[in-house]
Amino acid sequence: GAVVSQHPSWVICKSGTSVKIECRSLDFQATTMFWYRQFPKQSLMLMATSNEGSKATYEQGVEKDKFLINHASLTLSTLTVTSAHPEDSSFYICSAEDRYSNQPQHFGDGTRLSIL
Amino acid sequence: QKEVEQDPGPLSVPEGAIVSLNCTYSNSAFQYFMWYRQYSRKGPELLMYTYSSGNKEDGRFTAQVDKSSKYISLFIRDSQPSDSATYLCAMRGMDTGRRALTFGSGTRLQVQP
Repeated sequence: GAVVSQHPSWVICKSGTSVKIECRSLDFQATTMFWYRQFPKQSLMLMATSNEGSKATYEQGVEKDKFLINHASLTLSTLTVTSAHPEDSSFYICSAEDRYSNQPQHFGDGTRLSIL
Repeated sequence: QKEVEQDPGPLSVPEGAIVSLNCTYSNSAFQYFMWYRQYSRKGPELLMYTYSSGNKEDGRFTAQVDKSSKYISLFIRDSQPSDSATYLCAMRGMDTGRRALTFGSGTRLQVQP
C-alpha cells in the first residue's frame, strides 16, 4: 500500500529554536498534504492543507507565521515550527493523497516534539 | 454538537469476541468513509475505505455505511490482543476543494488475552 514517511520521529529541543519536520510520499504523487496536531487521548486536529506548488491553507486559529509549511514537490512537504515554546510540544502527523485519484489519505508515523 | 460523534470507550473485550465500533454524523454531504487504526505514538493506519452506502469486507474487518441513518460501523471478528488500539472513523464530502477529513474522537479498544 501507499507509504508516507515522516522524519524525525522524535525531537527534543530548547525553547526558542526552530524545528523542521519532513513528510514524504514514497510511492505516489502527493498533490495534497495535510498537517495535523494531536494531544494525548484526543483526536487529530487539522492545522493546514497544502497543495503542491501553492501556499498552504491554514485552519482558523493556527498561526501561519508560527507553523511554516512548504510543499515544493510532489513527494515532499515540510512543517517548520518557528521559535518553538513548551506549549508547542505535541504529536504532529502528516498525511498525503493524490487528489486526482479517489484513494484515501495515508498517514505518516508522526513526530513527537518536546520543547524544554 | 460535533459533526462526527464517536464513543471514546474504552471498550474491553475478551480475545475472540466480535467487536462493533460506530460513528454517527450530521453532515449529509459526506460521501467517503474511512476507518483508521492508531497504535500509541504512531500515525493512523488505514483499515477500510468505502464510498456511499453499503458494506465492505476485508479479512476479519467489515465496514458498513448507512447514509439514511448517518451511521457507520466497523466490525472486527475473532478479535486479537494485537487489535488493541484506538479506532478512528473519518469522512469527507465530494467537494474537490475541501478534501480534509473530519474525524471522530476515536474509540480505545482493549482485547484481553
